[in-house]
Amino acid sequence: GAGVSQSPSNKVTEKGKDVELRCDPISGHTALYWYRQRLGQGLEFLIYFQGNSAPDKSGLPSDRFSAERTGESVSTLTIQRTQQEDSAVYLCASSLGLARETQYFGPGTRLLVL
Amino acid sequence: DQQVKQNSPSLSVQEGRISILNCDYTNSMFDYFLWYKKYPAEGPTFLISISSIKDKNEDGRFTVFLNKSAKHLSLHIVPSQPGDSAVYFCAASATRSGTYKYIFGTGTRLKVLA
Repeated sequence: GAGVSQSPSNKVTEKGKDVELRCDPISGHTALYWYRQRLGQGLEFLIYFQGNSAPDKSGLPSDRFSAERTGESVSTLTIQRTQQEDSAVYLCASSLGLARETQYFGPGTRLLVL
Repeated sequence: DQQVKQNSPSLSVQEGRISILNCDYTNSMFDYFLWYKKYPAEGPTFLISISSIKDKNEDGRFTVFLNKSAKHLSLHIVPSQPGDSAVYFCAASATRSGTYKYIFGTGTRLKVLA
């Protein structure tokens, strides 16, 4: 079946604008994760959805960041009033939601804030 | 606080030789560890994992070693091939605490020279 898809693949925006990043997980995967990778840095956990449980938002860097997930399908990561330091690759991953399950990553969205 | 550390940002190895990538962690609650490989412009892909009840796991040319007392794991690639050139991330999870969240290291860029 299809893997994790993300859109857009690239996004250039002006400082202060809002952006929405979309993730389509693998069908049947109950868990969905968002990560951020800044240039030259590692994967930074942002937020995690598991089924109908309350999301783990412990990685969101500020209240300008929010994410939603509709059931066990699409997720949207929203960044309000973007800043230049938000420039990064935003990666989404999904898994079956069981302990020790492999996370499957999408190709990422490259965000550049000018 | 970086709970998972990859202190070598880059490594160059001759084709056919062994590549050894290292990872250190600080959280004694971590009980499951993974290695992911990432090519440019792609999402990370799962490579190999190890549970804390083991000290070694092997899959073809890839072997992961875990030293719990030293809170250290390493990935060995033998023999190294040019196609192995990528960024390698280690990740850890405290699955017994009920979380399915992984903490990733900053990555090591491996270059295998032909």
